[in-house]
Amino acid sequence: IVMTQSPATLSVSPGEGATLSCRASQSITNQLAWYQQKPGQAPRLLIYGASSRATGIPARFSGSGSGTEFTLTISSLQSEDFAVYSCQQYHHWPLTFGGGTKVEI
Amino acid sequence: EMQLVESGGGLVQPGGSLRLSCTASGSDFNNYWMTWVRQPPGKGLEWVANIRQDGGEECYVDSVKGRFTISRDNAQNSLYLQMSSLRAEDTGIYYCASDRGHSFHFFDYWGQGTLVIASS
Repeated sequence: IVMTQSPATLSVSPGEGATLSCRASQSITNQLAWYQQKPGQAPRLLIYGASSRATGIPARFSGSGSGTEFTLTISSLQSEDFAVYSCQQYHHWPLTFGGGTKVEI
Repeated sequence: EMQLVESGGGLVQPGGSLRLSCTASGSDFNNYWMTWVRQPPGKGLEWVANIRQDGGEECYVDSVKGRFTISRDNAQNSLYLQMSSLRAEDTGIYYCASDRGHSFHFFDYWGQGTLVIASS
């Protein structure tokens, strides 16, 4: 399964919202996770099951979608939210990630 | 919460071998599937392999089948990745991560990674 993320880079001002897209090459039902990765750090799980927030993730992060089209929405970006976001499907083997969307100031 | 620390990375010539280790603390290691994910320099994440709690099931991405072997020692709270016949394209940061398993293969806890460079 090929996971395609868009856009590759998103320029946003602090306090604004951001919408990131992830598309699967075939249906993955809702078996999609989102991760945040900052420079020099490991990824951090944000969302699983397309829309369930992981433990400790702020409510400004929300996920939606099913089948082949998914969205990660960040409402009112904080300074700590500028990072790369990657989606991952776990419906088919091999497990695959998207190429990432960089959210920059 | 699980803490994970990887070790064993380094510079190796193409065709060489390397064994990565990942030590877990803070949670019941033997209750989790475990996974290795890698990231080439400046590129995206790639799942490499995972292993069931009891070590009885292993899965690999095609590009490493026959060259890499994942294993675990629950008594030592440790996960391993034995890598052989290394290629330049195996270069990257290798992360170990806990894996929910049971058809929910996403990754809750991650180590900080260990860098593998396959180059002459």
